[in-house]
Amino acid sequence: DVVMTQSPLLLPVTLGQPASISCRSSQSLVRSDGITYLTWLLQRPGQSPRRLIYQVSQRDSGVPDRFIGSGSGTDFTLKISRVEGEDIGVYYCMQGVERPHTFGQGTKLEI
Amino acid sequence: EVQLVESGGGLVQSGGSLRLSCEASGIIFSNYWMNWVRQAPGKGLEWVANMNQHGGDQYYVDSVKGRFTISRDNAKNSLYLQMNNLRAEDTAIYYCSTLAVGDSGDYWGQGTLVTVSS
Repeated sequence: DVVMTQSPLLLPVTLGQPASISCRSSQSLVRSDGITYLTWLLQRPGQSPRRLIYQVSQRDSGVPDRFIGSGSGTDFTLKISRVEGEDIGVYYCMQGVERPHTFGQGTKLEI
Repeated sequence: EVQLVESGGGLVQSGGSLRLSCEASGIIFSNYWMNWVRQAPGKGLEWVANMNQHGGDQYYVDSVKGRFTISRDNAKNSLYLQMNNLRAEDTAIYYCSTLAVGDSGDYWGQGTLVTVSS
């Protein structure tokens, strides 16, 4: 199985300041179609997860442009240019290149 | 508005069975791969199983193979998870999701709690 490793697991942040989360996979997430299947999700306290970014850098509808996904191969990053209060929660990366789909451990963003 | 509504969770003894259901509205259900994802109390997300649009392909995480069965009824816009021989480590919130990896919509239900007592 593909192992997804996130760091840090706890990220204290200051409102208005940038934040960055790293995600590494144990093997390349590039599928035979040439697309990299790396997804970022946010789970706010008490809520279901919500996808923010798919295929490394594509933002979902309604996701603010302060969320920026980047990376390639096995190394990926989610950056928040200026943290806002609604960004608090646990962020997960997930690989969709093969089954079982696997998630990182989660990074808790807190003020 | 898209809604995925799970039901069927509850308290069951180790070795028992439960059947979870997920009813979708607001989407063309038959267009989507559908997934079950679970989250143990205070823990992260774990993908459990998925099924293709017409039910011909299904996949499972190793820990549930032979015990859980995913199925769907496109006429009823519904997804199911039959869980047999339940173990304490199956205790979790179970989410129904499209878990889209491409540019199709990604939708999640509110989850249903399964508690397995030993």
